[in-house]
Amino acid sequence: ETGVTQTPRHLVMGMTNKKSLKCEQHLGHNAMYWYKQSAKKPLELMFVYSLEERVENNSVPSRFSPECPNSSHLFLHLHTLQPEDSALYLCASSQGPTRVTGELFFGEGSRLTVL
Amino acid sequence: AQSVTQLGSHVSVSEGALVLLRCNYSSSVPPYLFWYVQYPNQGLQLLLKYTTGATLVKGINGFEAEFKKSETSFHLTKPSAHMSDAAEYFCAVSERRNTGKLIFGQGTTLQVKP
Repeated sequence: ETGVTQTPRHLVMGMTNKKSLKCEQHLGHNAMYWYKQSAKKPLELMFVYSLEERVENNSVPSRFSPECPNSSHLFLHLHTLQPEDSALYLCASSQGPTRVTGELFFGEGSRLTVL
Repeated sequence: AQSVTQLGSHVSVSEGALVLLRCNYSSSVPPYLFWYVQYPNQGLQLLLKYTTGATLVKGINGFEAEFKKSETSFHLTKPSAHMSDAAEYFCAVSERRNTGKLIFGQGTTLQVKP
C-alpha cells in the first residue's frame, strides 16, 4: 500500500441514499483533509482533521458528515445529497500543523454522481 | 484573506515550446507557495514548492517557478514542453502560521500539440 488510498473510485447514488467515502493514508501523517473538486471551480476545502480532532469545517452542509477514527483513516458519510453535490472528492494528508512545509499528499479521488 | 489567481484557464503550446503558467497570489503574511499537477483521473501531485530561501525553485519533470514578492507572482515555467506534460496545473498558497491549509487557484489546463 502506498500513499493515500480512496475508495470507492466511482459512486453513483440517489438523493435518498446513504453512502460513505473512505480514505486511508500510509504515510504516518497526523492531519487529513477532504476537498471537493467541481468542474470549472477551484478546489474547495471541506474538512480538516488534526490528530483525529476536527479543526476546520468550512461551512459544509450537514448532509456531509466526516469521521476520523484514527490518524490513518478518514470517512465522509453522505446522506440526502443533491445533484449539485456531484463532484470529485479528494482526500489528502500532511504532517500536520507542527510541520512547516504545508505539503499535501492526495489520493486519486472518489468520483460521486448524484442522480 | 488569501487568494490565488491563475491567469488563463487553458494554455496550448507546441511540443518543444516554452511553457508558462501564471499565478498571482494575495496574502497578508509571507506565504508558502505550491504548484500541483493533476493528470486525468488522478489526484494532485506536488510539482514544486517555495517556503524560504532561494526564490527560484526547481521541481520534478523539468519545471521551475520563481517567487517574486514585488509582483506577488509565482509563475511556473518549463523550457521545452513534452506531450506528457498535458494535464491540469494548480497554484496554491498557504499562510506560514496555518500550514497544511492550502488555498488553490482555479487551475490551468495545459494542452501540448504535436
